[in-house]
Amino acid sequence: DAGVIQSPRHEVTEMGQEVTLRCKPISGHNSLFWYRQTMMRGLELLIYFNNNVPIDDSGMPEDRFSAKMPNASFSTLKIQPSEPRDSAVYFCASSLALTNRDTQYFGPGTRLTVL
Amino acid sequence: SQQGEEDPQALSIQEGENATMNCSYKTSINNLQWYRQNSGRGLVHLILIRSNEREKHSGRLRVTLDTSKKSSSLLITASRAADTASYFCATDAGSNFGNEKLTFGTGTRLTIIP
Repeated sequence: DAGVIQSPRHEVTEMGQEVTLRCKPISGHNSLFWYRQTMMRGLELLIYFNNNVPIDDSGMPEDRFSAKMPNASFSTLKIQPSEPRDSAVYFCASSLALTNRDTQYFGPGTRLTVL
Repeated sequence: SQQGEEDPQALSIQEGENATMNCSYKTSINNLQWYRQNSGRGLVHLILIRSNEREKHSGRLRVTLDTSKKSSSLLITASRAADTASYFCATDAGSNFGNEKLTFGTGTRLTIIP
C-alpha cells in the first residue's frame, strides 16, 4: 500500500503566483481531508470531501483557496493568488469513513513557501 | 479555537522513563484519538478511545478518558529515543454518526534523551 501521496513535497513561489497542490488518497478510502499546519495556528482543517463531494469547507480561509475532487483517486488544493501568509505545510489525509471512528491516514505533506 | 489543548507543550525525559501527556477539550465527543508526528512527516494514528470507554491499552501506550472533566491522557511507558515526536489529540464533533471531521489539539513536543 503506497499510502496517501502528495505532490510536490516542496514548493517555493512568489507572491501573486498560482499554486496547485495534489493528493492521491489511499485506494478504497472515500473521505479526503486537506489540512494546513503552521507554528502559530497548529493543524487546521481546511476542507473535507466524502465520495468526492465537499462536505465542509468552513475552514477554507479565503476565496483565494479552492479545492476539487474530480474522482475518487485525485484531489487538488489551489491558491490563487498566493500570499506570504499562506506559507505552511499542507497535509492531505484520507479515511474509510464508514463510521466516525475511522482513522485518518496522512500524506507526507507539501511545504509551501511564498516569497 | 482549538477543540483540544495538550499539556504540557513540551516535555523532555530520560530514555526508559514514562511520559504522560494530557489533552482537554470543550464540547461533547463520540471518540478521541491520539496521533504522533515525527519531524517533517505526516501524522500517524496511535489509538482511539470511545466516549463510553475509560481506559485503553496498545503496546506501551495507555490512554484514559474522563468525559466528566473533558480530558484525556496518553502515557508512554519505558520511553525510547524513537518516541521523540509531537503528539496530538483529536476529537470528533460529537455529532451524528458519519461525521468524520476531526479537530486537532495544539500538540505536545516530546523529547527522549538517550
